[in-house]
Amino acid sequence: AQSVTQPDARVTVSEGASLQLRCKYSYSGTPYLFWYVQYPRQGLQLLLKYYSGDPVVQGVNGFEAEFIKSNSSFHLRKASVHWSDSAVYFCAVSAPNTNKVVFGTGTRLQVLP
Amino acid sequence: GPKVLQIPSHQIIDMGQMVTLNCDPVSNHLYFYWYKQILGQQMEFLVNFYNGKVMEKSKLFKDQFSVERPDGSYFTLKIQPTALEDSAVYFCASSGLGGSQDTQYFGPGTRLLVL
Repeated sequence: AQSVTQPDARVTVSEGASLQLRCKYSYSGTPYLFWYVQYPRQGLQLLLKYYSGDPVVQGVNGFEAEFIKSNSSFHLRKASVHWSDSAVYFCAVSAPNTNKVVFGTGTRLQVLP
Repeated sequence: GPKVLQIPSHQIIDMGQMVTLNCDPVSNHLYFYWYKQILGQQMEFLVNFYNGKVMEKSKLFKDQFSVERPDGSYFTLKIQPTALEDSAVYFCASSGLGGSQDTQYFGPGTRLLVL
């Protein structure tokens, strides 16, 4: 069965700084990978997803993630964060032969003005 | 973008009572999901539903849980009877044809408190 680990429960950065949120997955094959963001009192919104092809995936609002199979990682990056990026970010994994998506525990990002 | 609505946003009930959580999915979507998130913990898959049937369910989807979507109306999660450990935020999601390969669109959640 697939699983996801987000080792950082909280990350604090200053506005304008670069960002990396870590995600590692466990799955024997090549999974489908997702990053979602959750703003207060809202549902999850998809930032980006990876199925195959180019391992660097571009998402909304300047976010990108890189699938590194040898490291079982799918870290999320942004070159310059804005205070409005403060939210909880969830990494998720799905196996191609299932409809079930498994989420990580989330990383709460705080961007200081 | 497409929106999923959930009704109610909050629900407080006494242990042992029945509760129905309602989800209004994206109009042309065919796959529906429920997830459970206990405060401070990760969101966990409960069940997915397609063509009138449960396709997959997790161990969290107890016998007291049931889902249905009668006549294309709300996709509902019913808990009967409720237990204290059912207190959580329940998120509904929907996706188009393609299951988990398709983007899942999430509602804002229903906060359930069982006393």
